[in-house]
Amino acid sequence: GNSVTQMEGPVTLSEEAFLTINCTYTATGYPSLFWYVQYPGEGLQLLLKATKADDKGSNKGFEATYRKETTSFHLEKGSVQVSDSAVYFCALSEQQETSGSRLTFGEGTQLTVNP
Amino acid sequence: DGGITQSPKYLFRKEGQNVTLSCEQNLNHDAMYWYRQDPGQGLRLIYYSQIVNDFQKGDIAEGYSVSREKKESFPLTVTSAQKNPTAFYLCASRLRDRGYEQYFGPGTRLTVT
Repeated sequence: GNSVTQMEGPVTLSEEAFLTINCTYTATGYPSLFWYVQYPGEGLQLLLKATKADDKGSNKGFEATYRKETTSFHLEKGSVQVSDSAVYFCALSEQQETSGSRLTFGEGTQLTVNP
Repeated sequence: DGGITQSPKYLFRKEGQNVTLSCEQNLNHDAMYWYRQDPGQGLRLIYYSQIVNDFQKGDIAEGYSVSREKKESFPLTVTSAQKNPTAFYLCASRLRDRGYEQYFGPGTRLTVT
């Protein structure tokens, strides 16, 4: 079956620090990969995505590259802000409509950025 | 504005009562999903529906039921058979054949005492 493993949290950084949140996956097929962000008490927002090997997804200063050889999709940001404090989820979806294209999530990583 | 709405935001029920959570979308998405989130954990799939009048069980369907009578609506009923129903429930939708990302509603926090 499919699975996603995320770096354990919580992660605490100072403003303007460099962020890396590790994500590795196991999939039977060729998945699409996603990072979602969740602010307290809210639903998930799609942060970025990648659909094939070596694709780089990027949004709001965050980046992640689809690495098929290492089955990884690590999230990075060069300079975090207090407003980036949230829970970040790595997820994958099989690229098959017949299976419902269900998302498989990692457990989430809580990020706190201090001023 | 297009989006997904879930109501209510907070819901309180006594043990032994069934409760229905609403999910509506005006994105014209084909597929809809229900997830459960427990503190400090990822999301687990309860049910999903790819077309009207059809739905499939996810990983934790026991104690839950759904219907999909309209494309826009996918209500979830938490029955008294669900042993630990207190959780945050998230609804999502997706446009088939246009990528595999799902878009989420704001969630409903259900507390059963």
